[in-house]
Amino acid sequence: GAVVSQHPSWVICKSGTSVKIECRSLDFQATTMFWYRQFPKQSLMLMATSNEGSKATYEQGVEKDKFLINHASLTLSTLTVTSAHPEDSSFYICSAGQNLYEQYFGPGTRLTVT
Amino acid sequence: DQQVKQNSPSLSVQEGRISILNCDYTNSMFDYFLWYKKYPAEGPTFLISISSIKDKNEDGRFTVFLNKSAKHLSLHIVPSQPGDSAVYFCAASQGYQKVTFGTGTKLQVIP
Repeated sequence: GAVVSQHPSWVICKSGTSVKIECRSLDFQATTMFWYRQFPKQSLMLMATSNEGSKATYEQGVEKDKFLINHASLTLSTLTVTSAHPEDSSFYICSAGQNLYEQYFGPGTRLTVT
Repeated sequence: DQQVKQNSPSLSVQEGRISILNCDYTNSMFDYFLWYKKYPAEGPTFLISISSIKDKNEDGRFTVFLNKSAKHLSLHIVPSQPGDSAVYFCAASQGYQKVTFGTGTKLQVIP
């Protein structure tokens, strides 16, 4: 099956700094990628839809100026958490696929903000 | 507002027996349902899906049942195998819009 990678798998940063997470589709092109966040014992929550060559679409309640998404190529989308705070500590996971119902998920990135 | 609910956070089943994972939803407009399986340190992988026009879909050892009147779906795994031990997520979508996930059920199949 298709492979989606994420980098880094785990990152620790200090409060107030920014962190960039990469999501790559390794063997297919993805015009659309999705970014999710999962807090402990909660479900995967869609944060935004990343569209290649255009602006991302953010879900209600997600600050677009805090979670910057760039989808510059058909195989790479990045999520930058700006001015991170401890409450941003979470598990961030991306997905990509040919259609909404055939999504391949990355392994996720665990962000810890100290 | 948790529109997709998996009320059992964990389930243990003996190898060879049936595993039944349950999922309830509140949005009657959902028209497509999916199950994903997730191993530790990996992303979820698609397992099986069902459209709202059906009430059953089968794929090998996995069968999903949909009861629209009860807003309930279930995943049956028969026979259960140790390799099935994972977290299972139920998910739903409305009109090809975003996919809404449940909180997951951790299945342990005991050899």
